[in-house]
Amino acid sequence: DVVMTQSPLSLPVTLGQPASISCRSSQSLVYSDGNTFLSWFQQRPGQSPRRLIYKVSNRDSGVPDRFGGSGSGTDFTLKISRVEAEDVGVFYCMQGTHWPYTFGQGTKLEIK
Amino acid sequence: QVQLQESGPGLVKPSETLSLTCTVSGGSISGYYWSWIRQPPGKGLEWIGYIYYTGSTNYSPSLKSRVSISLDTSKNQFSLKLSSVTAADTAVYYCARGLADYWGQGALVTVSS
Repeated sequence: DVVMTQSPLSLPVTLGQPASISCRSSQSLVYSDGNTFLSWFQQRPGQSPRRLIYKVSNRDSGVPDRFGGSGSGTDFTLKISRVEAEDVGVFYCMQGTHWPYTFGQGTKLEIK
Repeated sequence: QVQLQESGPGLVKPSETLSLTCTVSGGSISGYYWSWIRQPPGKGLEWIGYIYYTGSTNYSPSLKSRVSISLDTSKNQFSLKLSSVTAADTAVYYCARGLADYWGQGALVTVSS
C-alpha cells in the first residue's frame, strides 16, 4: 500500500496567521493518464470529513480561497493563508492513484 | 445537491455479518462509483472498497476475503456486507461518492456480544 506521511501531526496556530501541512507519499502519485489524484480533507469535531482540494490544487465548490494545495510527484502541501476559528479540526491527505486508496495519519489544527 | 445516508444496525455480535445500506438522493447512481470508508473511534480513515455503477467492484486487500459491496440502482442504493466481524471492526462507517466529494453522515457500528 502507498503510505501517506503528514507533518506536523499537531498544528497550533494563531487566528489570522498562515498554516501549512506537508504530505509525502511512498511512491509517485502520477497516474497513467497524467493526473495526480491527491486530495485534502477537513474533519471538524463530530462531523464527516469534507473534501477541500482534489487533484493537488483544485478547490471543491464552496471551499474558501484561503485554502490552497500544491505539489507534485510525492511531495504535497496544504496551505491556509489566514486561519479562522472554523478551520479547527483534523486535516487528511489522501491518494486516489494506487489501489487501495490511502489516507495520511491526520494533522490536528487548533487555535493557540 | 447530492446527499448520502447510511442505515443499518448499530450493534453486531462477533463472528456475525455487518450490513449497511447507503441511500443516495439528489442525484443518480449512474455514471459514478460509490465507496465505503471507515474510521475506528479516535483513529484515521480506511478505504474499504468501491462499486462502479455498472456493478464492478474493488476491495481493499486487507478486507477482501470478508467484504462485499452491491448496488440497487432501482432504489438508488448501495450496500456493504462485512463478514466474521471482530471488535477491530468497530468504527464509524461512511459511504461516499467517487473520490469522496460527497459523504454520508456516518454510521457507528459496534461489534460486541
